[in-house]
Amino acid sequence: GESVGLHLPTLSVQEGDNSIINCAYSNSASDYFIWYKQESGKGPQFIIDIRSNMDKRQGQRVTVLLNKTVKHLSLQIAATQPGDSAVYFCAENTGMDSSYKLIFGSGTRLLVRP
Amino acid sequence: ETGVTQTPRHLVMGMTNKKSLKCEQHLGHNAMYWYKQSAKKPLELMFVYNFKEQTENNSVPSRFSPECPNSSHLFLHLHTLQPEDSALYLCASSQEGSGTPATGELFFGEGSRLTVL
Repeated sequence: GESVGLHLPTLSVQEGDNSIINCAYSNSASDYFIWYKQESGKGPQFIIDIRSNMDKRQGQRVTVLLNKTVKHLSLQIAATQPGDSAVYFCAENTGMDSSYKLIFGSGTRLLVRP
Repeated sequence: ETGVTQTPRHLVMGMTNKKSLKCEQHLGHNAMYWYKQSAKKPLELMFVYNFKEQTENNSVPSRFSPECPNSSHLFLHLHTLQPEDSALYLCASSQEGSGTPATGELFFGEGSRLTVL
């Protein structure tokens, strides 16, 4: 499941530091956003989501911030660990009503230095 | 068993071959998806099936033919592919629909790595 060959933006952080991964989305009508993590050899895994009526949501060690004015989404990881090394994708829902159509961003590779 | 299972994990085929990718979800979901992940476009939506009906075909060439016989199984039939079709094909499922708590969260399989020679 790795994104081999992709020239992804890369964020390198020291173990224990906080990480911030940014994402710009395209559709101002999108009402739902998700962050996914993809480790090498695996499919993407859900991390955290946020709806457009919120601007911040916290999970365990992760926080998602949504700025609808500039169509910007960020994922903050506290006390980054080696197991956090992966490619991170943001996704926006462009579906209508109760239908979900997730469109993914290009991804950011997070490297955690020991 | 894991939530979403894809077979085969790896497939090598010639341009004149016909093969199929299989996906099975054990989560009781009612929507299934095919995504393509390649060097050019990391996660590209191909097809969406909702309640076994195809609701989305994202301008995919006809050499890719999806089939959804029931809400738990999804196939992607491949024929006369091109080398540029080499990619990781990811299947996903979700729970959608009115009257049902739907998070929109996609549950992905591990993918089928396809190489077209």
